[in-house]
This record gives sequence, C-alpha cells and structure tokens, in this order.
Amino acid sequence: DADVTQTPRNRITKTGKRIMLECSQTKGHDRMYWYRQDPGLGLRLIYYSFDVKDINKGEISDGYSVSRQAQAKFSLSLESAIPNQTALYFCATKGADEETQYFGPGTRLLVL
Amino acid sequence: SQQGEEDPQALSIQEGENATMNCSYKTSINNLQWYRQNSGRGLVHLILIRSNEREKHSGRLRVTLDTSKKSSSLLITASRAADTASYFCAQNSGGSNYKLTFGKGTLLTVNP
Repeated sequence: DADVTQTPRNRITKTGKRIMLECSQTKGHDRMYWYRQDPGLGLRLIYYSFDVKDINKGEISDGYSVSRQAQAKFSLSLESAIPNQTALYFCATKGADEETQYFGPGTRLLVL
Repeated sequence: SQQGEEDPQALSIQEGENATMNCSYKTSINNLQWYRQNSGRGLVHLILIRSNEREKHSGRLRVTLDTSKKSSSLLITASRAADTASYFCAQNSGGSNYKLTFGKGTLLTVNP
C-alpha cells in the first residue's frame, strides 16, 4: 500500500460548491503539506502543518482551509470553489528528522 | 515570489545522451533538492545537496551547486526513455519553518 494516499483522485465540481480533499499517511510523519500545481508554474504551497495543533498558511492560502484531524490525516477544503482553483493538488509529508518530502499521487480538480 | 527557475523549460534528447538541467534560486539556502515527476503523478525525491557541498553523485545523477551564483545543475548521464519526466528543483531556506520552494520545472523527453 502507498505511504501517502489522496482521495478523491479526480473530482469535477461546480462554482460555489464546497469540497474537501483528503490526505492520509502511514509514514508516521508529523509534518504535512498541501500544494497545488498549475501548468508552467510548478508547485505552490497552500498550507502546512507541523502537528495537530500547528497549522500555517503557505504562499497561496486564500480560498482554502485545512483541518489536521490526526497525525495521519490532513484535509484541504475549498469553501466556495471557483474555476481558477482548477489544478492538480498534492499532499506531502516529512519526518521531523528528515529533509525530503514524500508526495501523494495527487488529486485532479476541475471547477466548472 | 521566492520561486526559483529551471532552465530550459523543455529538453528533448536521444537515448544514451546526457541531459543537463539548471536551476536558479533567489535566497540563501540550507539545501537544494531535485525531484522527478512522471506525467500527472506525485513528485519523487532524487537527490539533495547541502549549501556547503559543491557536487554530489547518485547513480547516473550528478548535481552541482554554486552558492555564489545561486544556481544548481542536474546532469543525467546515459539517458533512457524511462527518464522522460519533469524535473523540479526545490530550495530549503531553513529556519524552524521547514518549507520547500519549488521551481517551475524542466520537461525532459528522451527519445528511443
């Protein structure tokens, strides 16, 4: 089984809808991240969390919120989806004593 | 934005040739990392080079770092069709807030 999983893998929604993307990990890492990827723009950090009680905004947090329900789970919500939030979303994890991040397979989101 | 830049944006070579990708960044770093992404999938860590290192090798990968020029290069020797992917550099600028800032990526195509 994959160490970092994301659900759903693909999602189509309409403008104004609230949606949640979920990330789970079995690596035991305390640090978790949400990124979005747009063509030609690389990855940009949305939110990150160092533990259940420590959540921080990234570079592009407007329009998004997160919840760290447990060490292993980190959810990203779009409160009212808009078309320019159409993107590929990645969750990543990192151990406290490590320097590299481990990525999930991504969620492809289309907002109509 | 602190986002770095990769050069070139796209590179097409024949199997067996070497591929060189360059990365420039803007701030001082603790380390610089290279990641690989197969089409539409999650990123996979390849190699990390610390700010006090100038060159590092891992299999067919060679990474160099020039902190005076704020640049790094990734060389893939004897390329294979399976090396076809996007390659991203990511800078860790350290501090207690551990984050990676990703560049926009180089799309490498290795033709059989």
